[in-house]
Amino acid sequence: TQLLEQSPQFLSIQEGENLTVYCNSSSVFSSLQWYRQEPGEGPVLLVTVVTGGEVKKLKRLTFQFGDARKDSSLHITAAQPGDTGLYLCAGASGGSRLTFGEGTQLTVNP
Amino acid sequence: EAGVAQSPRYKIIEKRQSVAFWCNPISGHATLYWYQQILGQGPKLLIQFQNNGVVDDSQLPKDRFSAERLKGVDSTLKIQPAKLEDSAVYLCASSLVNEQFFGPGTRLTVL
Repeated sequence: TQLLEQSPQFLSIQEGENLTVYCNSSSVFSSLQWYRQEPGEGPVLLVTVVTGGEVKKLKRLTFQFGDARKDSSLHITAAQPGDTGLYLCAGASGGSRLTFGEGTQLTVNP
Repeated sequence: EAGVAQSPRYKIIEKRQSVAFWCNPISGHATLYWYQQILGQGPKLLIQFQNNGVVDDSQLPKDRFSAERLKGVDSTLKIQPAKLEDSAVYLCASSLVNEQFFGPGTRLTVL
């Protein structure tokens, strides 16, 4: 069974601070996706990383895929209250099947 | 473009009762997924359909859960009988190629 471990599980910070969320596994994935989920809604895809060592930027969010394609990180610069939500990483293997991590609940206080 | 529709949004039942959830995927999406998301956890895949055929149901508790997608479009997920530990959000997702689009989910509470 492939497992994805996310850390930290909970994160509460002040507006303007930076933060990093980690997603680690002992398994290799063909790609890794990051989602954000808000209360009462389904997860929404933020980014897909495919190549080991790949770095993608989405405004203030920076995503990195580990060289061995087993881990990933999400870095947010100058967090804003609108960034509040549950951040989920998901590894893809064997086609479109996704294995999700447990999530990181981020709260950004004004 | 309309998103993935799910109903009902909320359901409260007593243990041992039956419940059914409905999902209408994005038009043209051949692949449909049902996930279970327990509070504080990430979504767990229950079943994956490709058109009206089952691709993966390895994590579906088949003694009480069933799902169908008879015409390759809408899908229903049924629990019979429900247990307390089935309390969760049931998410439906669909995809055309690789990106999955999720519906808002059905929050089930089993008392």
